[in-house]
Amino acid sequence: QQQVKQSPQSLIVQKGGISIINCAYENTAFDYFPWYQQFPGKGPALLIAIRPDVSEKKEGRFTISFNKSAKQFSLHIMDSQPGDSATYFCAASDDYKLSFGAGTTVTVRA
Amino acid sequence: DTAVSQTPKYLVTQMGNDKSIKCEQNLGHDTMYWYKQDSKKFLKIMFSYNNKELIINETVPNRFSPKSPDKAHLNLHINSLELGDSAVYFCASSQGPGSHHPQHFGDGTRLSIL
Repeated sequence: QQQVKQSPQSLIVQKGGISIINCAYENTAFDYFPWYQQFPGKGPALLIAIRPDVSEKKEGRFTISFNKSAKQFSLHIMDSQPGDSATYFCAASDDYKLSFGAGTTVTVRA
Repeated sequence: DTAVSQTPKYLVTQMGNDKSIKCEQNLGHDTMYWYKQDSKKFLKIMFSYNNKELIINETVPNRFSPKSPDKAHLNLHINSLELGDSAVYFCASSQGPGSHHPQHFGDGTRLSIL
């Protein structure tokens, strides 16, 4: 049973556009919400993370928006570049373990 | 200098064989993990160790046995390999004894069972 639901499964965006990936959870014990970026043949890399006491966090072109009441969070990639083409995973952690979403494959067309 | 290194990168073997995957981290992290990524890219925790002590054993068949000789190493031994074991296995690490979220992953070991 997947504890973190992620959508869409894939998306295509033009260079310079905005990529938006959404995640939802039910477990209110989750207190840490990271995003990972994975390129083919490589391991996931921690991209950006947020805790539920903050509604938004920005690092460069990557922004996490967090809605605690709706139990939803999203990743926005601004000014998407071909080098951003990768699979993105949202995740959520409680006191025990990290649970991953199913992943979103982002393709940025030049 | 690679932070989390796994060997081998590829492992092709016959059903029923026993194999091991090695993992080392040079970050001085306290916690190490093994994750399994299936053909649909879904990532699932298998084990986590904190300073050589098993913390998480996530309903993994006992054919899988992790071993942590020291804080910097977490190896995975698999007995009697089955077709369903084909996947990419990632080692990861994180800092701090209470950490539950990996900060650094290795590049994975792709295990293929014939």
